[in-house]
Amino acid sequence: GQNIDQPTEMTATEGAIVQINCTYQTSGFNGLFWYQQHAGEAPTFLSYNVLDGLEEKGRFSSFLSRSKGYSYLLLKELQMKDSASYLCAALDSNYQLIWGAGTKLIIKP
Amino acid sequence: GAVVSQHPSWVICKSGTSVKIECRSLDFQATTMFWYRQFPKQSLMLMATSNEGSKATYEQGVEKDKFLINHASLTLSTLTVTSAHPEDSSFYICSARSETSGTTDTQYFGPGTRLTVL
Repeated sequence: GQNIDQPTEMTATEGAIVQINCTYQTSGFNGLFWYQQHAGEAPTFLSYNVLDGLEEKGRFSSFLSRSKGYSYLLLKELQMKDSASYLCAALDSNYQLIWGAGTKLIIKP
Repeated sequence: GAVVSQHPSWVICKSGTSVKIECRSLDFQATTMFWYRQFPKQSLMLMATSNEGSKATYEQGVEKDKFLINHASLTLSTLTVTSAHPEDSSFYICSARSETSGTTDTQYFGPGTRLTVL
């Protein structure tokens, strides 16, 4: 079966760094997405990885290892507004997105 | 670029009535649009995939006669919840797949519609 695993909840301190991990098992693979979703709002696109390695975009970076079925989202210089759920989603061979349940990130002052 | 709008943002209706939700891609053509439902504190649940000019593909367990989807143009898809009941109260989110952006198959989401059925 197809499956995405990510932690349910994480807590971090303002100004610190946090890494949110995601492992996936899909029928075929065409890329890995990270989305941010604030409470009561729709998800917003953060990153897309299809090749192994690290993609850096400002304070956010995303890493992919296809051989390990593993990705992480790295958030630096955390701000209070980063408190949100972070959704990992893998694109399978049919180009359907398989969604993780999301990781709720709580930022403390 | 890649902006998706959704209307209305929220709606309250009586049980038994029908509600139509519109999803528009404002600055790109979307051959494929997706409809999701999200209950509080739960992940997104894909309801159906909508392709312009053809019938929508519904996920298992989603009643196609209750959730009518029409993808009439490359920029508009509508979801009609027919004979809505309180258990249909949820956050409905559409997304559109942009095939012209630099990122293949990225889905861009509308702001969502919060439906409350009394």
